[in-house]
Amino acid sequence: DSGVTQTPKHLITATGQRVTLRCSPRSGDLSVYWYQQSLDQGLQFLIQYYNGEERAKGNILERFSAQQFPDLHSELNLSSLELGDSALYFCASSGGGGGDEQYFGPGTRLTVT
Amino acid sequence: AQKVTQAQTEISVVEKEDVTLDCVYETRDTTYYLFWYKQPPSGELVFLIRRNSFDEQNEISGRYSWNFQKSTSSFNFTITASQVVDSAVYFCALRPIKAAGNKLTFGGGTRVLVKP
Repeated sequence: DSGVTQTPKHLITATGQRVTLRCSPRSGDLSVYWYQQSLDQGLQFLIQYYNGEERAKGNILERFSAQQFPDLHSELNLSSLELGDSALYFCASSGGGGGDEQYFGPGTRLTVT
Repeated sequence: AQKVTQAQTEISVVEKEDVTLDCVYETRDTTYYLFWYKQPPSGELVFLIRRNSFDEQNEISGRYSWNFQKSTSSFNFTITASQVVDSAVYFCALRPIKAAGNKLTFGGGTRVLVKP
């Protein structure tokens, strides 16, 4: 158990809908990262937050947004969902320092039908 | 831009055989971290190891060992005397030390199947 929690574990929704994925980092970690794992794109970095501020952005679609709250939990919002958004979404956390490993949560499997 | 290549998509071995996973990376950064993660069938990503680019000492942890060669931009991973529980997908990843943010760039992964 990495100490990173993600809810829900599974999510099935229809095209055009909007969903919110939630992540709680390990106790004391200030950085939260979101990654997407799909069959065709592999594991891709989406976005990082550090202590509430956006720190780095990857190939995140405009339909996707994220935020980190004062209690350090984070939410990833996916809107106008398409079939191609079906994937496993991972949250990871780290202390935020340069040498910190990222510890991953169990992931949320999103299926868009 | 960073790139990590794991040329082997799948390796199948019989229990107790050794297996080596290749990882080759490209980066213009002079200082960086390299990682290996394991993704068992249950789906979570488990951190295995982190190496600094300025430390080329090989590392051994139980049945796992890692060989880092900066000259060939490789960071290979060997499982000695494999066990069925080693069946998983293994990912190599890279992160520049001085970049803004701590984004990991992953390779495509190598699926290891250990048969009893």
